[in-house]
Amino acid sequence: EVQLLESGGGLVQPGGSLRLSCAASGFTFSNYAMSWVRQASGKGLEWVSGMSGSGDSTYYADSVKGRFTISRDNSKNTLYLQMNNLRVEDTAVYYCAKDRSGVPTAINYWGQGTLVTVSS
Amino acid sequence: DIQMTQSPSSLSASVGDRVTITCRASQGISNYLAWYQQKPGKVPKLLIYAASTLQSGVPARFSGSGSGTDFTLTISSLQPEDVATYYCQKYNSAPYSFGQGTKLEIK
Repeated sequence: EVQLLESGGGLVQPGGSLRLSCAASGFTFSNYAMSWVRQASGKGLEWVSGMSGSGDSTYYADSVKGRFTISRDNSKNTLYLQMNNLRVEDTAVYYCAKDRSGVPTAINYWGQGTLVTVSS
Repeated sequence: DIQMTQSPSSLSASVGDRVTITCRASQGISNYLAWYQQKPGKVPKLLIYAASTLQSGVPARFSGSGSGTDFTLTISSLQPEDVATYYCQKYNSAPYSFGQGTKLEIK
């Protein structure tokens, strides 16, 4: 059974940093691209970042480029999202997601999400 | 960047109705399109990928079509459990953006 467990969310002041983690199990982690998708309260889905299964390729939404960094440790089956210079508008539930293949594609599994709140 | 626009933003239909949701890309994306269903308080669920391929376990009343810039998600006979918000997502190239969502309610 595929499981994705996010952690690391919380309350942070504008300009601060957080590191999200996603522990994956139930599949061969290195074979699949992974993504981060966020959803502000009452709003739609926003794709944030993605990474190939090998870790060779990374992708970012314009809204986070230069501030967020996606990474993965295939030996630990863990995906990360380092978020720097956070803004109020980054407040959202952040979902870790597994893609259907080794390159970014449709998402077939989602974690339960971790809440990031950016506020003074 | 390619923009994804869904229509309508919301709709209300009766049980048994045929429902169609449209997703339009501002540039061609071939068939690199997925559809998701998100029920209130739940995480999204993949319904369709490659524009028309039904994800395993998804009821056959859901179908997708289209290629290039215009895509549709069709529910052939609306059921009460289909109340949800539906999103399209492009994945031909980054950024892998979603449409703004279509909220479906029962009349």
